[in-house]
This record gives sequence, structure tokens and C-alpha cells, in this order.
Amino acid sequence: DAGVIQSPRHEVTEMGQEVTLRCKPISGHDYLFWYRQTMMRGLELLIYFNNNVPIDDSGMPEDRFSAKMPNASFSTLKIQPSEPRDSAVYFCASSLRVWTEAFFGQGTRLTVV
Amino acid sequence: AQTVTQSQPEMSVQEAETVTLSCTYDTSESDYYLFWYKQPPSRQMILVIRQEAYKQQNATENRFSVNFQKAAKSFSLKISDSQLGDAAMYFCAYRANTGNQFYFGTGTSLTVIP
Repeated sequence: DAGVIQSPRHEVTEMGQEVTLRCKPISGHDYLFWYRQTMMRGLELLIYFNNNVPIDDSGMPEDRFSAKMPNASFSTLKIQPSEPRDSAVYFCASSLRVWTEAFFGQGTRLTVV
Repeated sequence: AQTVTQSQPEMSVQEAETVTLSCTYDTSESDYYLFWYKQPPSRQMILVIRQEAYKQQNATENRFSVNFQKAAKSFSLKISDSQLGDAAMYFCAYRANTGNQFYFGTGTSLTVIP
């Protein structure tokens, strides 16, 4: 398996624009997580899915953020409109079962100017 | 609520020496899993080692081993024969068997001195 695949690797956008981050989890994994990493706040859980169903989105900063998982092999995290404070590295991770480790993608470095 | 604490923001070690990174956690669960992840400058999060709480034996993976003290809720990582490639940020993580999400510590930045 190629692991968790995220795209794009880097994204630079202007304030106010819509940004869509994409994730393909490892095949067969039940859980999918979206994290945001910054120097100030460390690694924050934004939302996670179990069997394509959002379970906990309490970490989503505000209504500008939304996430979907239309099928078991694809998820998106959308920011609309984007703001400079959204600049961070966004990770997607997947996990096979509740007792197994999370496998991370390589992350998307988002810069909002 | 579950919390994971890494009290050492930065650590350094001489090449070929041994270093121990500390991690404590707070939980009321009896069945859970603990992990150490490594994040090198490439930013890729890599699993180093995992420990099941029901196992008394400490996990070992080559030069990496843990000291799991369930009663003390402590989960330290020992790196033996440190190599330059071990330089990275290390994160401790917890996951309950009854829960779904992972709880991460704030990380320890490890420098390996040649």
C-alpha cells in the first residue's frame, strides 16, 4: 500500500480564497483523522470519521472549515474563506481499528497571504 | 478528560549515547494503547513504538524501548546508541480502547550531537 496520500503538498493562496485539501486513506482503514499543526498550538485534532461518518468535529475552528468523506477512499477538508491565521501544516491520518496506530500522510503546508 | 504531558520541550544527546524522553498521561480507563511518534524535519509522522496497556512487558523495537509504568501512568522512551538520524520531534500519544481519537503530547525536540 502507498500509505496515506495527501494533496497538494504545498498550497499558497490569498486571503478570502477557498482552499480544498484532499486525503486518500489506506485501503480498509475504518478511521480517518484531520489534524492541524502549528508552532503555537502543536498538533490539534480537527475532525475524525468512522466508516465515513463524522464522529467528532468539535476541533473544527469555525464555520469556515468543513470536512467530508463521501466514500471510504477519499476525504476533503475545505476552508472558505481562508485567512492568514489558517496557515499551518494539515495532516490526514487513518487507522485500521480502534486499537491500532494512526498512519499519517505527508501533510499539506498551507500558507495564506 | 484524557491528557498527555511531555515535560521536556527539548533534549540533547551525544551520538552513540542513550537518552530517555518522558511522557505521562491521565486517564480513568483501564484498557488503552500508547504510542511514540517521530517527526523529522521532513515533517512525516512515523510510528516508533506502541504499547498495549494490558501487557506488562515493555515494548522494544531495535534501539528503541519503553518503560511503561501503568500505576504511575508513565510511558518513557529510551533511545540507545543514538544516531544522527534520530534527531527529530518526538510525540507521545494515547488512545483508549473505548474511544476513537488519539491524544497527543506537545512533543520533545531531540538534538543529536556528533
